[in-house]
Amino acid sequence: AAGVIQSPRHLIKEKRETATLKCYPIPRHDTVYWYQQGPGQDPQFLISFYEKMQSDKGSIPDRFSAQQFSDYHSELNMSSLELGDSALYFCASSSPRGEKLFFGSGTQLSVL
Amino acid sequence: AQTVTQSQPEMSVQEAETVTLSCTYDTSESDYYLFWYKQPPSRQMILVIRQEAYKQQNATENRFSVNFQKAAKSFSLKISDSQLGDAAMYFCAYRSAYNNDMRFGAGTRLTVKP
Repeated sequence: AAGVIQSPRHLIKEKRETATLKCYPIPRHDTVYWYQQGPGQDPQFLISFYEKMQSDKGSIPDRFSAQQFSDYHSELNMSSLELGDSALYFCASSSPRGEKLFFGSGTQLSVL
Repeated sequence: AQTVTQSQPEMSVQEAETVTLSCTYDTSESDYYLFWYKQPPSRQMILVIRQEAYKQQNATENRFSVNFQKAAKSFSLKISDSQLGDAAMYFCAYRSAYNNDMRFGAGTRLTVKP
């Protein structure tokens, strides 16, 4: 069965650079979620989209933005990267009215 | 705001034995969902089991079962016949029925001894 696809798997950036993470949800899933998991931390909710509209916002910094496109894939844009942004970024998706989140393998971002 | 507490940072179990991981949560909502996710060293987040708050019956998935005590706001995970592949970080998670914000506990690292 198809799963949530995230790209890239690993990303290395310098401070103050920008990064774009991509997420392709499971087919027919209409809701996408972004989570940030720092080293040794639990995942923290950043933002979610339902039917291409932002549905909920968590602890997402103002330097980050995200959107969901017409094909339901989503991109997380991160600007003015800081060392503290180094983390594993998960995308998850859920089906219409579904409560279960299915996670991708994550993008490991390292900011040097 | 909802909070999820896992009071056991680490747990250990002998292969083939049974282990219970604890989770409590705090909420004023009446409708919500509870989950246990497993995160092995690969760091993939894998759904283990889920429970709807309106259901009194405890969820079961093969060797995994929960003890859901709604009044006590407790949601423990029991792993029976533990296997080496069960070794992972286990996160308890709460999701409101009213929004998309899923909250995770701090996690419990489970070690399985051969």
